[in-house]
Amino acid sequence: GENVEQHPSTLSVQEGDSAVIKCTYSDSASNYFPWYKQELGKRPQLIIDIRSNVGEKKDQRIAVTLNKTAKHFSLHITETQPEDSAVYFCAAALFGNEKLTFGTGTRLTIIP
Amino acid sequence: NAGVTQTPKFQVLKTGQSMTLQCAQDMNHNSMYWYRQDPGMGLRLIYYSASEGTTDKGEVPNGYNVSRLNKREFSLRLESAAPSQTSVYFCASLFGEQYFGPGTRLTVT
Repeated sequence: GENVEQHPSTLSVQEGDSAVIKCTYSDSASNYFPWYKQELGKRPQLIIDIRSNVGEKKDQRIAVTLNKTAKHFSLHITETQPEDSAVYFCAAALFGNEKLTFGTGTRLTIIP
Repeated sequence: NAGVTQTPKFQVLKTGQSMTLQCAQDMNHNSMYWYRQDPGMGLRLIYYSASEGTTDKGEVPNGYNVSRLNKREFSLRLESAAPSQTSVYFCASLFGEQYFGPGTRLTVT
C-alpha cells in the first residue's frame, strides 16, 4: 500500500519568514495530494490540494509543488503569521479510490 | 448544515468495557471514514465505507467493528477496550475533500 513520509516533524520560523514542509510517497499511481491544517484541539481542515496533472498550485500565501518523478510534494507558506501555527498533514491517494494515506504531521510554530 | 457530528466528545473506559462511537453527516456524502490520531503517528484509517451497506478495513482495524446504518450514520464499536485504544477518534465524510468531525477523545484505563 501507499506510504507517506513527512519532514520535518517540528518547524519554528520567525513571523514573516517562509516555511516549507516536505512529503514523499511510495505509490507511483497516487495522483491526489491534499494538505490539512489542524489547530490545537480542533479537527483537520483542508487548506490546499493538488492533482498530478499540475506541478504547482497557489492560494494566496500558500502553495504546493509536486515532483512526480521524484515522488515528493511540498507545502510552502510565505509571509508567515501567528495564526499559521498548527500541525500540518500531507496525504496521498488515488483520486476516486477515496482512501487517503496521511503523513505523520509537522508542528509549525511561528515566533512573533 | 451541521456537517459531520460525533458523540461523545470525551469518554473514559475501563479495560474490557465496550462502547460505540457515533458519527453522522448531513451532506449526503456516500463515503465515510473512521481514523485514530496518536501523537507522532498522524491519522491512521481504521475502517471506511464507500457507500451505504459496504465497509472495508483500513490500516489499523484490529479491535474495532463498524456499522453503516444508513447513508447518514457510521458507527465505530470497541467490543473490549484496551489501553492501546486510548486515542482521539475522528470520523470523516468525503465529497471531493474529506470533512472531519470534531473528534472523540477516548481514554482506556
